[in-house]
Amino acid sequence: DAGVTQSPTHLIKTRGQHVTLRCSPISGHKSVSWYQQVLGQGPQFIFQYYEKEERGRGNFPDRFSARQFPNYSSELNVNALLLGDSALYLCASSLFQEETQYFGPGTRLLVL
Amino acid sequence: TQLLEQSPQFLSIQEGENLTVYCNSSSVFSSLQWYRQEPGEGPVLLVTVVTGGEVKKLKRLTFQFGDARKDSSLHITAAQPGDTGLYLCAGAQISRARGTSYGKLTFGQGTILTVHP
Repeated sequence: DAGVTQSPTHLIKTRGQHVTLRCSPISGHKSVSWYQQVLGQGPQFIFQYYEKEERGRGNFPDRFSARQFPNYSSELNVNALLLGDSALYLCASSLFQEETQYFGPGTRLLVL
Repeated sequence: TQLLEQSPQFLSIQEGENLTVYCNSSSVFSSLQWYRQEPGEGPVLLVTVVTGGEVKKLKRLTFQFGDARKDSSLHITAAQPGDTGLYLCAGAQISRARGTSYGKLTFGQGTILTVHP
């Protein structure tokens, strides 16, 4: 069975630009969560979506937004990129919003 | 804000040695997950512990959840070079906002384990 997939694997942007990251959950999973992992730290919670609605949000600015589609895939959007947004962005899927989360391989974003 | 303190941050040992990684918090978690992460990849789930006092074994790895569900440990017996990697503990918290609930993971800082042949 396919696990969580994310695209692209790597991305280079410049400050001020916009980026869209994509995630497809494990088949049958209805919840997607997004995390940011800065080098040398554990992942930090950004969002959780369940049944196409935002259910929870971490301590991130409004430049970060996301959505979930009818097929349960998800997009994370970041506007007005800053150097500090450089990180590994991880998507995790779970059956329901309170169940164990399984992570994808991540998207490595570098902001120059 | 939930905090999860993980120690040690770095661990360098010889093949065959035993080791223990600790995760501590002042908060209660509904469950706790341990993940292993390779450089440039996503965390891979090793185990989920749910019940206070629970002990789970995965080959040479033993995971324990504290009685009060605030702390956990990972013990590796006879470490092998293939065990090298970043080990992360993550506490699951069920939060409520705007009339709905969601599951949020709070991660420790991670333990970088290096096992030398």
